[in-house]
Amino acid sequence: ILNVEQSPQSLHVQEGDSTNFTCSFPSSNFYALHWYRWETAKSPEALFVMTLNGDEKKKGRISATLNTKEGYSYLYIKGSQPEDSATYLCAAVYNQGGKLIFGQGTELSVKP
Amino acid sequence: NAGVTQTPKFRVLKTGQSMTLLCAQDMNHEYMYWYRQDPGMGLRLIHYSVGEGTTAKGEVPDGYNVSRLKKQNFLLGLESAAPSQTSVYFCASRLGPGTGNQPQHFGDGTRLSIL
Repeated sequence: ILNVEQSPQSLHVQEGDSTNFTCSFPSSNFYALHWYRWETAKSPEALFVMTLNGDEKKKGRISATLNTKEGYSYLYIKGSQPEDSATYLCAAVYNQGGKLIFGQGTELSVKP
Repeated sequence: NAGVTQTPKFRVLKTGQSMTLLCAQDMNHEYMYWYRQDPGMGLRLIHYSVGEGTTAKGEVPDGYNVSRLKKQNFLLGLESAAPSQTSVYFCASRLGPGTGNQPQHFGDGTRLSIL
């Protein structure tokens, strides 16, 4: 059974702090890593999809990196804002058309 | 664009009742998925479909049935609702074969309470 793990489970930061969290996944037969942002009472929204070792993607203050050899991805938020408060989900794919295997998410709370 | 639309958005059932949740997508996606979301459990895959007329079991299929008679629709049925099926249900779709590098598109969810 493939297991995708995210840490920490929850994170509380002050406005302006930079933060990062981790997604760990089995590296054998890996194909792609997805990050989603999930606000309360809304649907998950895609942030990034990465496939190559060393990939780095950025969207505004949010960026992500990928290490496929050791099986982890980091998500960084620079200068957190209250509107960044959400659950951040990662999911790994193990063949080109395979199902997404989701982690349990990191719940981020940013206090003004 | 509508994207992925789920109906209903909210429903309360009594134990033993049956109901069907509808998911419709207008993006011509081949793959469709039903998940449930429970506190502390993340998203768990119930059933999925890789094309019209095909369905497969996911991680937690017991107590649910699905049908994909038309490419754009994926129905999730509860045969005899149980309190353990109280959850928020999300439908998602993805383009199709060879597209693990494409994001999934999610509906807004259906909040289901079983009394």
